[in-house]
Amino acid sequence: NAGVMQNPRHLVRRRGQEARLRCSPMKGHSHVYWYRQLPEEGLKFMVYLQKENIIDESGMPKERFSAEFPKEGPSILRIQQVVRGDSAAYFCASSPPGGRTEAFFGQGTRLTVV
Amino acid sequence: AQSVTQPDIHITVSEGASLELRCNYSYGATPYLFWYVQSPGQGLQLLLKYFSGDTLVQGIKGFEAEFKRSQSSFNLRKPSVHWSDAAEYFCAVGAAGGSYIPTFGRGTSLIVHP
Repeated sequence: NAGVMQNPRHLVRRRGQEARLRCSPMKGHSHVYWYRQLPEEGLKFMVYLQKENIIDESGMPKERFSAEFPKEGPSILRIQQVVRGDSAAYFCASSPPGGRTEAFFGQGTRLTVV
Repeated sequence: AQSVTQPDIHITVSEGASLELRCNYSYGATPYLFWYVQSPGQGLQLLLKYFSGDTLVQGIKGFEAEFKRSQSSFNLRKPSVHWSDAAEYFCAVGAAGGSYIPTFGRGTSLIVHP
């Protein structure tokens, strides 16, 4: 059973471009969480999704950021018109339905905006 | 809303010495509690978790943690640290029941001297 897969591992974008980060949860996991990690800081929650539904997006910036978790395929975190401040490590985690379990993390995507 | 405080940003210990990393949480009901470890450039790996039952929890790599409800704490301990334990350690709390979203502390960086 493969772990949580994130790609790409490293992504470089120029200011104003779009960044698409992909996350394939572990098999059987229907819950996906996205976190952002800035240097010297912890993980900040961004969004929690289940298949085809956004459950909680209270940590998402109101503009330029969006997330989806379609019925088929990976979860996508999309950042439009990136700025230097978006440079960070973005982590995806997944968990199975039913709660009472830990979240399993991917290796992260390190976004650099130049 | 739940929150986690890790009061120590950096901890330095000598190899072979004992270790205790502090974690205090805030949550109105029974929490789910976790410790994760992150090596440089990597994702997060679960060390141990507490859901209910015995308040002393054993984890991987020789780590243990004790849940103390009266102190709202979940400190991580190891009797003898190895150089390979140098990493970033994150405490997290999840809500038992309802929307399960792990909330992380800012992390404690462990430095191990030979």
